[in-house]
Amino acid sequence: GAVVSQHPSRVICKSGTSVKIECRSLDFQATTMFWYRQFPKKSLMLMATSNEGSKATYEQGVEKDKFLINHASLTLSTLTVTSAHPEDSSFYICSARLFDEMAVGGEQFFGPGTRLTVL
Amino acid sequence: GENVEQHPSTLSVQEGDSAVIKCTYSDSASNYFPWYKQELGKRPQLIIDIRSNVGEKKDQRIAVTLNKTAKHFSLHITETQPEDSAVYFCAASPPVTGGGNKLTFGTGTQLKVEL
Repeated sequence: GAVVSQHPSRVICKSGTSVKIECRSLDFQATTMFWYRQFPKKSLMLMATSNEGSKATYEQGVEKDKFLINHASLTLSTLTVTSAHPEDSSFYICSARLFDEMAVGGEQFFGPGTRLTVL
Repeated sequence: GENVEQHPSTLSVQEGDSAVIKCTYSDSASNYFPWYKQELGKRPQLIIDIRSNVGEKKDQRIAVTLNKTAKHFSLHITETQPEDSAVYFCAASPPVTGGGNKLTFGTGTQLKVEL
């Protein structure tokens, strides 16, 4: 299957700093990538849909100025958590969908996740 | 938007027994239903998926059934093994022309296969 990488895998930062997380599709082009947040023993909550060359679409309740998403190429999307606070500590996972304009339902491949801890 | 409910939240079975996890969805337009397995601290891995034009799909010990009328779909694991222990998530996705297909996830089922 397709491979999605995510970097860093783990990050610890001080409150008030910004953290950038990268999501890359390694062997395919992904016009659409998704960013999820997962709390311990909970389900994946979609934060935003990242579209190459256009603005991200955020889910209700997700602050777009706090979670900045950039999808500058067909293989890279970044999530920047700005002015991070302890409540932003979580497991952030990205996924990428295979490029297929005719897809009825596109398989998503997940990155390994980034564990963010804000002190 | 889509809403997916998943039951049970925890499931314990003896090795060799079968396990069944059930999900319901709300949006009748949803047409893609994947199942993911997630081990602790790891990424979700797709184990099987089904599209709305079929009612059942099987891959070795894993099968998924879909009832579009009732908006139910289920995961069946036969001859369970200890390595099947993990959290399983169902998901549903409506078609979105030209863009991506958003997945709405169920709440997850912690499956434990006991020796």
